[in-house]
Amino acid sequence: NAGVMQNPRHLVRRRGQEARLRCSPMKGHSHVYWYRQLPEEGLKFMVYLQKENIIDESGMPKERFSAEFPKEGPSILRIQQVVRGDSAAYFCASSPRPSSYEQYFGPGTRLTVT
Amino acid sequence: AQRVTQPEKLLSVFKGAPVELKCNYSYSGSPELFWYVQYSRQRLQLLLRHISRESIKGFTADLNKGETSFHLKKPFAQEEDSAMYYCALSGPAGNKLTFGGGTRVLVKP
Repeated sequence: NAGVMQNPRHLVRRRGQEARLRCSPMKGHSHVYWYRQLPEEGLKFMVYLQKENIIDESGMPKERFSAEFPKEGPSILRIQQVVRGDSAAYFCASSPRPSSYEQYFGPGTRLTVT
Repeated sequence: AQRVTQPEKLLSVFKGAPVELKCNYSYSGSPELFWYVQYSRQRLQLLLRHISRESIKGFTADLNKGETSFHLKKPFAQEEDSAMYYCALSGPAGNKLTFGGGTRVLVKP
């Protein structure tokens, strides 16, 4: 089992561009969580998705950010019109069921906005 | 609102010395507490959780509800313990984790 995969590992975008971050959960996992880590801070929950459903998006900024987890393919975190403050590491985790202790983390995507 | 505080950003100890990482939390209810570890160039991984009450790699952590703390301890630090450690909690729904800011541990030979 390859574990949770995230790509790209590093992404550079200019202000105003769109960023798409992908997360492929572990085989057999149908629950995906996205976290953001700003410089010098801990990880902060953004959104929790099951296949084709957003379950909890209480940590998502109200504008420019969206997430999906389609029936087929990876989960996508999309950031429109990026700003410098979006520069961060974005981590994805997956679990086989709704569970906080069974979350397996990916290596993260480091987004840099220039 | 739930919050996790790790007051030390960096802990530097010598090999064989005890190490204690502090974690305090605020949560109105009965949270589940965890310690996660990230070794250099590796992914974040679960170290231990309070419900299991087990010792992993010589580390233990006791939940003190009166002091709302969940400090991580190891009596004799090893060089391979050098890593970033995060304390985290989740609520009854058990879905999202709230992390502290992390403590970097450096074990010197």
